[in-house]
Amino acid sequence: DAGVIQSPRHEVTEMGQEVTLRCKPISGHNSLFWYRQTMMRGLELLIYFNNNVPIDDSGMPEDRFSAKMPNASFSTLKIQPSEPRDSAVYFCASSLYGGQNTEAFFGQGTRLTVV
Amino acid sequence: EDQVTQSPEALRLQEGESSSLNCSYTVSGLRGLFWYRQDPGKGPEFLFTLYSAGEEKEKERLKATLTKKESFLHITAPKPEDSATYLCAVLTGTASKLTFGTGTRLQVTL
Repeated sequence: DAGVIQSPRHEVTEMGQEVTLRCKPISGHNSLFWYRQTMMRGLELLIYFNNNVPIDDSGMPEDRFSAKMPNASFSTLKIQPSEPRDSAVYFCASSLYGGQNTEAFFGQGTRLTVV
Repeated sequence: EDQVTQSPEALRLQEGESSSLNCSYTVSGLRGLFWYRQDPGKGPEFLFTLYSAGEEKEKERLKATLTKKESFLHITAPKPEDSATYLCAVLTGTASKLTFGTGTRLQVTL
């Protein structure tokens, strides 16, 4: 398996523009997590899904952020409109909820810069 | 609310100088504790899972232990390639919420 795949790896956008980050989880995994990492706050959980259903989105900063998981092999995180304070590295991770091994595996991240 | 605290924030060791990193947690319904390693510009890489107090796991120079309130990552005779940020995370609740600490930045010098 190729692991968790995120795209793009880097994104530079202007303030006010819409940004869409994409994630393909590991095949067979049924939990998916979106995290944001900054120097100041470390890894923050934004939202997670079990079996494509959003379970907890309490970490989503505000209404400008939205996440979807239309099927078991794809998820998106959208920011509209983007602001400079959204600049961070966004990670997607997946795991097998309910399985014997519950560790989460991470993608390489998307480095977002909003100017 | 689940809380995970890691210490120290940063640690500098000489090659061969053993030490321990700490991860203390206050959670309801711990289902597992995880250790990850993160290199600059990369995503966290899974190291260990611990499920119950008293459990220990080893991998090369690393050994992870778990009590009811904290976990330790012991590094024996570290090498420069062990330099990284080490993160711990707790899995809680019935719906597998994974919460991370802020990490310990380890630097091992020659």
